[in-house]
Amino acid sequence: GENVEQHPSTLSVQEGDSAVIKCTYSDSASNYFPWYKQELGKGPQLIIDIRSNVGEKKDQRIAVTLNKTAKHFSLHITETQPEDSAVYFCAARDDKIIFGKGTRLHILP
Amino acid sequence: DGGITQSPKYLFRKEGQNVTLSCEQNLNHDAMYWYRQDPGQGLRLIYYSQIVNDFQKGDIAEGYSVSREKKESFPLTVTSAQKNPTAFYLCASRIGLEYSPLHFGNGTRLTVT
Repeated sequence: GENVEQHPSTLSVQEGDSAVIKCTYSDSASNYFPWYKQELGKGPQLIIDIRSNVGEKKDQRIAVTLNKTAKHFSLHITETQPEDSAVYFCAARDDKIIFGKGTRLHILP
Repeated sequence: DGGITQSPKYLFRKEGQNVTLSCEQNLNHDAMYWYRQDPGQGLRLIYYSQIVNDFQKGDIAEGYSVSREKKESFPLTVTSAQKNPTAFYLCASRIGLEYSPLHFGNGTRLTVT
């Protein structure tokens, strides 16, 4: 069935450095790839999304890249700050929205 | 303010009892979703509904039931048939099906003992 794999499950980076989270998907019909950030005790919030006809999208310190041929997409956070510490989820498809298992990002002072 | 309201935040039940989780949205969104979140498992789709009076099973629908009698409301019933009901349950909505993001509530943590 449809599957979204996300790596790594945990990531620690020094404040100011960059963080990269990678996802792969199995359903070639997927055409929408959102990323969500979840803080403790809250529901996830969309931080950026990309459609299948776009290879890269950037919003300030956050960027997402998509390689449809290889079926993988990545989240890049530059100049990380303490408030970036959270759990990040990638997702794919556009009707059911299938999520990866999440990456817990720790920003070290 | 527009948003999604899940209530209550914490819910405790005895094993063998059915329990209904509430989800209400005032965003005028057509589609609504229920996800279950367990540590290390990400978000797994239970049910989703694209329009009133219609819904589809997700990947882990067994032991759950839903209804969509009103656009604003999508309650989830966790039945006694659900083998491991203790979890964090998230409701979400979106304006339509194509390229629109999910808006999540803040979840209900259900504990069954």
